[in-house]
Amino acid sequence: AQRVTQPEKLLSVFKGAPVELKCNYSYSGSPELFWYVQYSRQRLQLLLRHISRESIKGFTADLNKGETSFHLKKPFAQEEDSAMYYCTIFGNEKLTFGTGTRLTIIP
Amino acid sequence: SAVISQKPSRDICQRGTSLTIQCQVDSQVTMMFWYRQQPGQSLTLIATANQGSEATYESGFVIDKFPISRPNLTFSTLTVSNMSPEDSSIYLCSARQGGYNEQFFGPGTRLTVL
Repeated sequence: AQRVTQPEKLLSVFKGAPVELKCNYSYSGSPELFWYVQYSRQRLQLLLRHISRESIKGFTADLNKGETSFHLKKPFAQEEDSAMYYCTIFGNEKLTFGTGTRLTIIP
Repeated sequence: SAVISQKPSRDICQRGTSLTIQCQVDSQVTMMFWYRQQPGQSLTLIATANQGSEATYESGFVIDKFPISRPNLTFSTLTVSNMSPEDSSIYLCSARQGGYNEQFFGPGTRLTVL
């Protein structure tokens, strides 16, 4: 069975400081991983996916198959980054969500 | 990308009653899903809504409690039956298009059962 672990339920970072949200996964096949974000009073939306290797809103995430990790990083945090972040894995035709990390940027 | 709307956005219901939540997508999608997000928890998949056939339920969820319909490629309903306070949650509709594995989400329906 596939599983996603986000060890930090809450994370507070000062504005301008680097951000790293941790995500580890377990999956027997070749995984497809995503980060979803939910800003206050908005719906859940896709932030980025590992296969496109893109940077969205300054965030990047690299799939490390050896460590089974997909950590989300941003070099300089901005106040608008405060939100709930979910790491998800697609496998067996469905998305499985991690427990989420609430990121708060301190001005 | 697909835009998903849900009705109602919220409701307060008495225990023992049922509520049907509607999900409308602005374009045809291949797959539709229903999730539950209990207070302070992550999203849990309830079922995959299949067009023209019975929904596929995840472990712990049954058709009698959560009957689902999907009459066409853009619409689905989820009914929460014989409600109890433990059913108080946010229920989210989600959809996937074509050959892409990313999913789009509706705004959610916040249900409170008294």
